[in-house]
Amino acid sequence: DAGVTQSPTHLIKTRGQQVTLRCSPKSGHDTVSWYQQALGQGPQFIFQYYEEEERQRGNFPDRFSGHQYPNYSSELNVNALLLGDSALYLCASSTIQGWDEKLFFGSGTQLSVL
Amino acid sequence: QQQVKQSPQSLIVQKGGISIINCAYENTAFDYFPWYQQFPGKGPALLIAIRPDVSEKKEGRFTISFNKSAKQFSLHIMDSQPGDSATYFCAASRQAGTALIFGKGTTLSVSS
Repeated sequence: DAGVTQSPTHLIKTRGQQVTLRCSPKSGHDTVSWYQQALGQGPQFIFQYYEEEERQRGNFPDRFSGHQYPNYSSELNVNALLLGDSALYLCASSTIQGWDEKLFFGSGTQLSVL
Repeated sequence: QQQVKQSPQSLIVQKGGISIINCAYENTAFDYFPWYQQFPGKGPALLIAIRPDVSEKKEGRFTISFNKSAKQFSLHIMDSQPGDSATYFCAASRQAGTALIFGKGTTLSVSS
């Protein structure tokens, strides 16, 4: 059973460009969340998708947008890239089993903005 | 405003020793407290989680201790091994399935 897969693994962009990151959730999971992890920091919640709708959003500007497809895969789009957007972007999938979320993370996409 | 404060930032423990990492939270609405382990180049992996109606939870060598009145919880790793060397994050959320608020992480090195 493949876990959460993300593509690409590494990406280099320049300021002002746009980027799309992709995520395939773990089999059987219907909820996808995206997190940004700056170097030496804990992950920060960007948003969560369930049934193709954005269900919850963290404190990120509108430059960050997403999408979830009927097969539960998801995309994270970032417009007008800033140097400060350089980070590891993590996708996590989940399905709630009782009270325990069982959140599974992918290995991330390392984005460098030059 | 950081809602989950984690300490220490780094920790060195001898093989066979006990590693202890502490976290404090501010929001009393938090209802779910997981710990994650992250190796370089990998995403975080869930280790163990607890709810505030339980004071302690143990899974193998990993134990969470929870103090609701002090708004603190800690991870204890018994018989620490070199393979436990990683970065550990505490986290909290209002309920399972909602956004997790992570601490800044603790880098653990277990010396052999």
